[in-house]
Amino acid sequence: NAGVMQNPRHLVRRRGQEARLRCSPMKGHSHVYWYRQLPEEGLKFMVYLQKENIIDESGMPKERFSAEFPKEGPSILRIQQVVRGDSAAYFCASSHDSHPSYNEQFFGPGTRLTVL
Amino acid sequence: AQTVTQSQPEMSVQEAETVTLSCTYDTSESDYYLFWYKQPPSRQMILVIRQEAYKQQNATENRFSVNFQKAAKSFSLKISDSQLGDAAMYFCAYTNAGGTSYGKLTFGQGTILTVHP
Repeated sequence: NAGVMQNPRHLVRRRGQEARLRCSPMKGHSHVYWYRQLPEEGLKFMVYLQKENIIDESGMPKERFSAEFPKEGPSILRIQQVVRGDSAAYFCASSHDSHPSYNEQFFGPGTRLTVL
Repeated sequence: AQTVTQSQPEMSVQEAETVTLSCTYDTSESDYYLFWYKQPPSRQMILVIRQEAYKQQNATENRFSVNFQKAAKSFSLKISDSQLGDAAMYFCAYTNAGGTSYGKLTFGQGTILTVHP
């Protein structure tokens, strides 16, 4: 059973470009979380999605950031007009359910975004 | 809002020795879950151990155990018989049990653990 896949693993963008980060959850998982890890910091929650629905986007900046999890295909985190402060590692995690009593979030290897 | 604090940016231990990593948290909730995650240089996040707040018994996974002090809001990780492969960044994390938390995790700042041969 393949784990959570993220691509690309490394992404370099110039200021003002768009960044698209992809996350394929584990087979059978319909819950996806995105976290951001700034240098020397812990991970911070950005958004939680179920298939075709954004459930909680309380940690996502209101401007330039968006996320989707379509019925078919991977979850996408999209950052428009990137700035240097967006440079970070972005992690995706998936789970079978959202309740932590019978849920474990499995993390992908992350995408390291560098904005020049 | 919940917060998680790891006051030890770095720790070191000799191989085969025991080390304890500290974590405190702040919450007004009574039902929640606490976790320790390991992030090796590959950056892959790996769940080490989990504790349910309603359980008084401390969780144990092989060489890893926790000391959960609910009243003090303290959740430390003890690694026994440390191995070179234990070297990594360790994160303490918290999530509420229900409501609108949806299992989202709040992480501490991390502790870098070095294991000396």
